[in-house]
Amino acid sequence: DAGITQSPRHKVTETGTPVTLRCHQTENHRYMYWYRQDPGHGLRLIHYSYGVKDTDKGEVSDGYSVSRSKTEDFLLTLESATSSQTSVYFCAISPGQGPYEQYFGPGTRLTVT
Amino acid sequence: QQPVQSPQAVILREGEDAVINCSSSKALYSVHWYRQKHGEAPVFLMILLKGGEQKGHEKISASFNEKKQQSSLYLTASQLSYSGTYFCGTEIADSWGKLQFGAGTQVVVTP
Repeated sequence: DAGITQSPRHKVTETGTPVTLRCHQTENHRYMYWYRQDPGHGLRLIHYSYGVKDTDKGEVSDGYSVSRSKTEDFLLTLESATSSQTSVYFCAISPGQGPYEQYFGPGTRLTVT
Repeated sequence: QQPVQSPQAVILREGEDAVINCSSSKALYSVHWYRQKHGEAPVFLMILLKGGEQKGHEKISASFNEKKQQSSLYLTASQLSYSGTYFCGTEIADSWGKLQFGAGTQVVVTP
């Protein structure tokens, strides 16, 4: 199994509070991704990173920011959580960009009340 | 735009075959297939590239029709372990490295 961990695994928070999710890898892969998964939508890309301090937006980036100060860590921040951000969040890593497999972390279940 | 998967769900008996389709309205560079079991993370199955190259799972096959922007995943002689939700992820030429996933096809294999 690819060495990917996510923390926390479960979180309940209130509307308007900031939330940070962490993805940590031990594979030294250059590419890291944040997805959210909701029923009927599959996986949707929020942000991705192609190197330390190099990030780009995905299709559902509004309300989210990311940071990557080290190869192994990719942080996703909800500046002011809303109920629409209740979801399961998956981090993924890849050894390359494009036609390369992505390995997913175990996921974080976030509930915004 | 999200690729369209069909069917939404399929129920099989062990040993039966099934086909899952994935279609896009845009020109594709690659198609990825993943399987997710309930409560778990998606797991990589295979990648099909424009030009015919494939990478991935030895026991599951797939095809990629570049002209129709369609891919099909073939579950042959299904086993109980094939149960789960299958997702296709498509990569279009002007969005290098960004996958758009379909809504998924739920597969249930019964004894």
